[in-house]
Amino acid sequence: DTAVSQTPKYLVTQMGNDKSIKCEQNLGHDTMYWYKQDSKKFLKIMFSYNNKELIINETVPNRFSPKSPDKAHLNLHINSLELGDSAVYFCASSQDLGAQHFGDGTRLSIL
Amino acid sequence: GEDVEQSLFLSVREGDSSVINCTYTDSSSTYLYWYKQEPGAGLQLLTYIFSNMDMKQDQRLTVLLNKKDKHLSLRIADTQTGDSAIYFCAETDNDYKLSFGAGTTVTVRA
Repeated sequence: DTAVSQTPKYLVTQMGNDKSIKCEQNLGHDTMYWYKQDSKKFLKIMFSYNNKELIINETVPNRFSPKSPDKAHLNLHINSLELGDSAVYFCASSQDLGAQHFGDGTRLSIL
Repeated sequence: GEDVEQSLFLSVREGDSSVINCTYTDSSSTYLYWYKQEPGAGLQLLTYIFSNMDMKQDQRLTVLLNKKDKHLSLRIADTQTGDSAIYFCAETDNDYKLSFGAGTTVTVRA
């Protein structure tokens, strides 16, 4: 009965590979987000979707492509992974402009 | 975040009160939040305050907001070892973007 769930929790892969992270929320929220947390614990928003429409697209390399098949899901696909992509990626959701609820994170390590 | 600042570390004795401070620059901030992150875990929403409020209390947590000085604080009464974590202050100005501080690492010592 996890509210915001991400898979996988850990992802270890080689430089140059393509990988996806999945996120699902069962809170009935209409807005979902992807955040990146770097090694210094700094959190920065990457993308946001409201009712499947992209509403926030920060300065993120176009190797990162979010996809929202429906309001309850927001996936993140990353092409040609680089060493600097190593981080923890958090999914979050909210009802409109309400409080954001976060998943447990996906720890991505690039070898 | 560049718009939200927090001190990086706080050490507190078990049973004492902890006070974590945060300053922000956006005068149009509408909601201010406190999140807790335990090691290896996600962000847990602790509490939030609307910008037209001065104070909010929720069990051991007290949030104080000084809008004039753009200063937010979180007080944890009777701090326990389970309160050891990173605490993030965050603000939004009525859009969908949360701006986070760098986080305050709270260490509770016996």
